[in-house]
Amino acid sequence: GENVEQHPSTLSVQEGDSAVIKCTYSDSASNYFPWYKQELGKRPQLIIDIRSNVGEKKDQRIAVTLNKTAKHFSLHITETQPEDSAVYFCAARGTGRRALTFGSGTRLQVQP
Amino acid sequence: DTGVSQNPRHKITKRGQNVTFRCDPISEHNRLYWYRQTLGQGPEFLTYFQNEAQLEKSRLLSDRFSAERPKGSFSTLEIQRTEQGDSAMYLCASSTDRGRTPYEQYFGPGTRLTVT
Repeated sequence: GENVEQHPSTLSVQEGDSAVIKCTYSDSASNYFPWYKQELGKRPQLIIDIRSNVGEKKDQRIAVTLNKTAKHFSLHITETQPEDSAVYFCAARGTGRRALTFGSGTRLQVQP
Repeated sequence: DTGVSQNPRHKITKRGQNVTFRCDPISEHNRLYWYRQTLGQGPEFLTYFQNEAQLEKSRLLSDRFSAERPKGSFSTLEIQRTEQGDSAMYLCASSTDRGRTPYEQYFGPGTRLTVT
């Protein structure tokens, strides 16, 4: 089955700096890669996603890049703000499946 | 609130008891998923419904777990003879196979189960 690895597990940045979180996946036929943000005690919230036919997608300060050859995708947050502090999860949807396989999460702390 | 809802939000039970959770998906969503999340980990897939049909089940879903989605609307997840290892947050998500966003899964707030 699909396996998703995520790193780093924790990331601390200064307000205004950029943050990058990376994930690798095992199923070369995976076709959908969402990113979720989860604040303490709250539900995971979809913040951006990318499909396998696209290499990059941006939404304001957030961008996701996908490298299908290397089987990795990354989340980029620019001009970080304290409210960006949360746990971020990447996920992948494998061949012929509807379920998502999640990474183990990255705890992002933005220091004011 | 038109999002995914789950009840109860918290459940404390003694080992060996049965528990049942309910999920109400976004009204126009025909796909429904159950995930389990333990502290410090990402959600792990348990099972998936399209309308009323259960189409996918994880190896994690032991025979003590059963899920239903009668009439393709709300879903229930039952755990029989609970064990301490069942303590986790149980998350429900829904999605639609129509429109511009056929892949996006939206999560409910979860039911936190504590087995003592």
